[in-house]
Amino acid sequence: AQSVSQHNHHVILSEAASLELGCNYSYGGTVNLFWYVQYPGQHLQLLLKYFSGDPLVKGIKGFEAEFIKSKFSFNLRKPSVQWSDTAEYFCAVTGGSYIPTFGRGTSLIVHP
Amino acid sequence: GAGVSQSPSNKVTEKGKDVELRCDPISGHTALYWYRQRLGQGLEFLIYFQGNSAPDKSGLPSDRFSAERTGESVSTLTIQRTQQEDSAVYLCASSLMWGDYNEQFFGPGTRLTVL
Repeated sequence: AQSVSQHNHHVILSEAASLELGCNYSYGGTVNLFWYVQYPGQHLQLLLKYFSGDPLVKGIKGFEAEFIKSKFSFNLRKPSVQWSDTAEYFCAVTGGSYIPTFGRGTSLIVHP
Repeated sequence: GAGVSQSPSNKVTEKGKDVELRCDPISGHTALYWYRQRLGQGLEFLIYFQGNSAPDKSGLPSDRFSAERTGESVSTLTIQRTQQEDSAVYLCASSLMWGDYNEQFFGPGTRLTVL
């Protein structure tokens, strides 16, 4: 069974700081990769996804993620965070199955 | 258009009682998923429906859990003889079609508390 690890469970940053959230998965075959975000009081929603092509994927609100196959990683990045980025972030992977495996999530708090 | 809706938003029940949770997917979405999220944990897959095919029940934790879906419409998740460890947020998601690259659209969840 595949697994997804999000190493940072809680991240606290000041506005304008750079962000990188780690995501590693265990499946060795072809994968599709997702980052979902849940803002306070809102539903989970898709931030960005990768399923083929350019391994550097750009999503909404200035987020991007890079798929590095050799490292089994799909880290999420943003050069300069804002207070409004405070949220829970989930990495998810599908590989060999249509059922995604989700990581535990990373809680991001951005101080103004 | 309307998103995925779930009801009730909150449910408090006593240990041993049965509960029924409802999910209305986005119209036209053929795939529907149920997940459980315990406090501080990731999303735990429970069951998957795709059109009229037999559901994938591989994630259901015990035979106290069951779910139904009629065609491509509403789904209900039933938990019989609830236990305290069933306390969690139950999330429903739908997607346009089957396929592991399809984005899932999530509902707001039902927070279940078993006393």
